[in-house]
Amino acid sequence: EAGVAQSPRYKIIEKRQSVAFWCNPISGHATLYWYQQILGQGPKLLIQFQNNGVVDDSQLPKDRFSAERLKGVDSTLKIQPAKLEDSAVYLCASTITYNEQFFGPGTRLTVL
Amino acid sequence: GIQVEQSPPDLILQEGANSTLRCNFSDSVNNLQWFHQNPWGQLINLFYIPSGTKQNGRLSATTVATERYSLLYISSSQTTDSGVYFCAGHPGGGADGLTFGKGTHLIIQP
Repeated sequence: EAGVAQSPRYKIIEKRQSVAFWCNPISGHATLYWYQQILGQGPKLLIQFQNNGVVDDSQLPKDRFSAERLKGVDSTLKIQPAKLEDSAVYLCASTITYNEQFFGPGTRLTVL
Repeated sequence: GIQVEQSPPDLILQEGANSTLRCNFSDSVNNLQWFHQNPWGQLINLFYIPSGTKQNGRLSATTVATERYSLLYISSSQTTDSGVYFCAGHPGGGADGLTFGKGTHLIIQP
């Protein structure tokens, strides 16, 4: 069974630029999450989707971050404009609803 | 939200040693998972263990939900066990994003 796919794996941008990350969850998983992991810390939830609807985006900095899951499968996370403190690994996870979560390899973002 | 406390924060052991990692939650959790983050950053699922005891090879885990803690046991450590171990949980309900601890950084020396 294929795992959670993410791309790109690495991205380096200048501050104030825009960036987008893509995630393809495990087939059949209705729930998709985006987490941000800053160096030396545990991952922190940014947003949770159930199919194509948002369940929880209370920790998403909505002034610069946006996410969508239009067809209930793939998802994109965008940062516009990026700040230095956005340097982190962005992890996507998926699950059959209310069950064990599985994580993708992550996208490592460096903002210069 | 819930708070997750992991101990110890750092652990250095010789190959072959046994270890116990602990995770305390500030409130009841419905889902609890243990992960190993390898040097490349990949979070590897170890256990999905809301309650009870599970074993997988040299690793085992126990969750005492009523007392809001979980333990991860690693026996006969190998150098490949090195990395950061995270526990994470959520209290249930419609929003079930995991809250992670700060992790235990384990180094196994040959």
